[in-house]
Amino acid sequence: EAAVTQSPRNKVAVTGGKVTLSCNQTNNHNNMYWYRQDTGHGLRLIHYSYGAGSTEKGDIPDGYKASRPSQENFSLILELATPSQTSVYFCASGDAGLSGNTLYFGEGSRLIVV
Amino acid sequence: QQKVQQSPESLSVPEGGMASFNCTSSDRNFQYFWWYRQHSGEGPKALMSIFSDGDKKEGRFTAHLNKASLHVSLHIRDSQPSDSALYFCAAYNYAQGLTFGLGTRVSVFP
Repeated sequence: EAAVTQSPRNKVAVTGGKVTLSCNQTNNHNNMYWYRQDTGHGLRLIHYSYGAGSTEKGDIPDGYKASRPSQENFSLILELATPSQTSVYFCASGDAGLSGNTLYFGEGSRLIVV
Repeated sequence: QQKVQQSPESLSVPEGGMASFNCTSSDRNFQYFWWYRQHSGEGPKALMSIFSDGDKKEGRFTAHLNKASLHVSLHIRDSQPSDSALYFCAAYNYAQGLTFGLGTRVSVFP
């Protein structure tokens, strides 16, 4: 089965600090995604990538940057963390086909900004 | 407005019973539907997809799609404690990718 690994799994950050969430996939998928999950909002797409060197804005990109230095790695960067960015973040990988896109999610990174 | 709406928000079902819940899209651009399941403390995992009108069965899980009304449902037969989870409906089109609903939380009690 597809493997997506996230780090760190838990993080406490101070307001105004920089946070980097990392994601690694070993499935050679072209597409990678960052979502956040909050009660009452479900899964919301922050950034995604079609391959190394590419990043695209999702539905809620403000306050976040993304980096895809290689096929395997996709990072989410919070340059100036705010308490509103306290959430659980999920990375996913997948390959789009004509009939849709099976996403393989990591185990999540829980971020608390104080 | 949420493009993919799920109901109910939560339900409880006895072990061995049938769990049924629904998903409706307001966007006719969506062509395909997926069900994902998330156990507590884990990431979501794809359960099954459905693209054609009618039923699709995988083990104890049956999905039903009505394309005319953009309504999808998922039915879990012989529910087990391990089925207790958050179930997401997701709608897909090539331009927008996957759009997730807010989820239905299923609790299976003994």
